[in-house]
Amino acid sequence: GQQLNQSPQSMFIQEGEDVSMNCTSSSIFNTWLWYKQDPGEGPVLLIALYKAGELTSNGRLTAQFGITRKDSFLNISASIPSDVGIYFCAGLHSGGSNYKLTFGKGTLLTVNP
Amino acid sequence: ETGVTQSPTHLIKTRGQQVTLRCSSQSGHNTVSWYQQALGQGPQFIFQYYREEENGRGNFPPRFSGLQFPNYSSELNVNALELDDSALYLCASSPLGQRGTEAFFGQGTRLTVV
Repeated sequence: GQQLNQSPQSMFIQEGEDVSMNCTSSSIFNTWLWYKQDPGEGPVLLIALYKAGELTSNGRLTAQFGITRKDSFLNISASIPSDVGIYFCAGLHSGGSNYKLTFGKGTLLTVNP
Repeated sequence: ETGVTQSPTHLIKTRGQQVTLRCSSQSGHNTVSWYQQALGQGPQFIFQYYREEENGRGNFPPRFSGLQFPNYSSELNVNALELDDSALYLCASSPLGQRGTEAFFGQGTRLTVV
């Protein structure tokens, strides 16, 4: 099935560093979402973006919806050990009555205390 | 207000068998979507249910089927299980008026087919 191009695949950083990850697609999306998934759990919604060019923050997290509607990035500032997990971008198709999320393959983040 | 709950949490089945997975949506959410997440991959859309009817389907064969009940809870049924069906199956519910956007996920059911 289709998946978005998400990079990097993994990151290993020191506590306190900033992190940046991004997602690109060949298709246009109406909405971009960023999720975090911990081992053995389902994805948890971090940020939702609804408009091209939109920049939204949630605490130390900042995400932007690309102008072309084909990309998005997520930044995490001053990382802490509990930021460890897999981060997924997801684009929403909302044509007609069909609403489905297309996910990236994820970015595995490891934070060294 | 309870979140999305799925049962069972883990399941082992033999190739060729049938399985039913269950999902209770978050209170007030009328849309349920099912996703399959293989190891090391992002979730893949299976199908979505709204008002007890299938409302969109991903690239999955007909042996993947579902139901939604009047209380918005849902079931995912998989017939003739194959080894490749081993995955984490995720249910997500969405609130009225925001189908698919503010999707909240359950903890998933880990299915192993041997």
